[in-house]
Amino acid sequence: AQKITQTQPGMFVQEKEAVTLDCTYDTSDQSYGLFWYKQPSSGEMIFLIYQGSYDEQNATEGRYSLNFQKARKSANLVISASQLGDSAMYFCAMREGMRNAGNMLTFGGGTRLMVKP
Amino acid sequence: NAGVTQTPKFRVLKTGQSMTLLCAQDMNHEYMYWYRQDPGMGLRLIHYSVGEGTTAKGEVPDGYNVSRLKKQNFLLGLESAAPSQTSVYFCASSYSPPTRGASGNTIYFGEGSWLTVV
Repeated sequence: AQKITQTQPGMFVQEKEAVTLDCTYDTSDQSYGLFWYKQPSSGEMIFLIYQGSYDEQNATEGRYSLNFQKARKSANLVISASQLGDSAMYFCAMREGMRNAGNMLTFGGGTRLMVKP
Repeated sequence: NAGVTQTPKFRVLKTGQSMTLLCAQDMNHEYMYWYRQDPGMGLRLIHYSVGEGTTAKGEVPDGYNVSRLKKQNFLLGLESAAPSQTSVYFCASSYSPPTRGASGNTIYFGEGSWLTVV
């Protein structure tokens, strides 16, 4: 079974509007972390936001917020006031456990977001 | 402050050739990782290291070897390259162990190495 599922291969959003990128995950660990990364056409991986499984509040970072619904195992990324520079691939990723085994991530297949002027 | 640096950035290999990708980090991180990204897909973990002299297999280790002789360097080797290893390779590093909050879970990625095997 897929550990991270991103069901939207591609999405369009109008500039200045908000957009939600979906991510569902599967784990039996009680302690885990969820990440969102942006990958522009230049290829680098840009960290956007992090949510720990024990964090009671949804994470926010500027225009990015993470809609964390633990019971539904979803961690959707919300981008407010979309900008043309937001056009990129977006990846959801999960780290399972808080073991002394590092921050090994499992990635979803990604969503390509295209912002229309 | 260079962060995570990968060399080379681009390489074309012939089937059967060998090569080594070098990852260097200057943040004194214990943990280092090698991922590969195939077209249209997310990253997959090849190998990782939790400290100098240690390595372990990730999700897709076959056809690769790694070494961590120095804390700041993590080498990824392809002994006999195959077209299926055409991919973009990312190195990453992080503090140890992960703690609560974003700052305790920050993972630093290199800019990627584009490898084509013909």
